[in-house]
Amino acid sequence: EVQLVESGGGLVQPGGSLRLSCAASGFTFSTYDMHWVRQVTGKGLEWVSAIDTAGKTYYPDSVKGRFTISRENAKNSLYLQMNSLRAGDTAVYYCAREVFYGDWYFDLWGRGTLVTVSS
Amino acid sequence: EIVLTQSPGTLSLSPGERATLSCRASQSVSSSYLAWYQQKPGQAPRLLIYGASSRATGIPDRFSGSGSGTDFTLTISRLEPEDFAVYYCQQYGGSPPYTFGQGTKLEIK
Repeated sequence: EVQLVESGGGLVQPGGSLRLSCAASGFTFSTYDMHWVRQVTGKGLEWVSAIDTAGKTYYPDSVKGRFTISRENAKNSLYLQMNSLRAGDTAVYYCAREVFYGDWYFDLWGRGTLVTVSS
Repeated sequence: EIVLTQSPGTLSLSPGERATLSCRASQSVSSSYLAWYQQKPGQAPRLLIYGASSRATGIPDRFSGSGSGTDFTLTISRLEPEDFAVYYCQQYGGSPPYTFGQGTKLEIK
């Protein structure tokens, strides 16, 4: 089955760190660019990071310098290392697969993992 | 950074009615790089439309997308009970960030 499964969310104190994982299955993970997208409860979607097939990474200003996206193709896994966490980082974090073949879109999403930053 | 503005914020309609959702970009977006997603409570977003007008696999033909440049539209021709959800547009402007609109909530009237 083609799927993405996130894990690693939980409760962390402000200033703390957390590492999220996304396990991919059913497709050739190494051939896709991958993303993390987050959603504060009751709010909209916010793009958090991207990594291309060559390992080049991209971030919005809101997380640049605090978050690091990485991938391990041999394990079909995507990661998000989150440091210096703030209350505003509290959200459900989704991993998503990008398709860019003429058209561009995110065609596969995981179910998400909840990160709560609170003392 | 390209900003996407969706309207209305909330749309109240009855099953069987036609829904028209708007997504306006702050600068021109290639039609190839404009997508629409549906999200139901407690679920991940689901791809509906890509390339501004192409339906994703398994999406019913009552969903259609149109538009170009800065103005894009998602139309649901005849609402079914399962269509009541939040809808987001998303763009890729050739470089990050990959922005989403703020969403339109389609609720039952």
